[in-house]
Amino acid sequence: EVQLVESGGGLVQPGGSLRLSCGASGFTFSSYWMSWVRQAPGEGLEWVANIKQDGSEKYFVDSVKGRFTISRDNAKNSVSLQMNSLRVEDTAVYYCAREPTGQRGLFDKWGQGTLVTVSS
Amino acid sequence: DIQMTQSPSTLSASVGDRVTITCRASQSISRWLAWYQQKPGKVPNLLIYEASSLESGVPSRFSGSGSGTEFTLTISSLQSDDFATYYCQHYNSHAGTFGQGTKLEIK
Repeated sequence: EVQLVESGGGLVQPGGSLRLSCGASGFTFSSYWMSWVRQAPGEGLEWVANIKQDGSEKYFVDSVKGRFTISRDNAKNSVSLQMNSLRVEDTAVYYCAREPTGQRGLFDKWGQGTLVTVSS
Repeated sequence: DIQMTQSPSTLSASVGDRVTITCRASQSISRWLAWYQQKPGKVPNLLIYEASSLESGVPSRFSGSGSGTEFTLTISSLQSDDFATYYCQHYNSHAGTFGQGTKLEIK
């Protein structure tokens, strides 16, 4: 069974940093692009960032460019999102999601999400 | 950037009804369109990809159609479990763009 489990969320002050992690199991992690998708309270879904199987390509939504970085460790079946210079508007549930082979940007498996709250 | 617009934003319907949700793209996206269902407090669930392909395990009362800029999600006979928010999404690029969502409520 495919499982994605996020961790690392919490309360942080504006300007602060947080690192989210996602552990994967039940599939060959190194064969898939992985994404982070977020959802602000009461709002819709927004793709945030993704990373290629070998980590050689990374993409970010414009609103987080220069502040967030994404990385992966295929030996540990994990993907991380380093979030710096956090803003109130970054408050959201952050989901780790798998992109199925041959379907770039589609999300077929999702983690349960981790809540990030940016507030003073 | 391609924008995705769903209509209506809210839809009231009864069990057994046939309902249709529309998603429009700001430019042609061929058939690179997915639909997700999200229940309150739950994780989004992929229903349909490539405009009309049903994801494994999704009931056959769900169907999708369209190409280019206009797409529809149809639920042939609403069940109580179907009351949720539905999102369309353009994909096939490094950045997937979601519609704003359609909340399907019980009438």
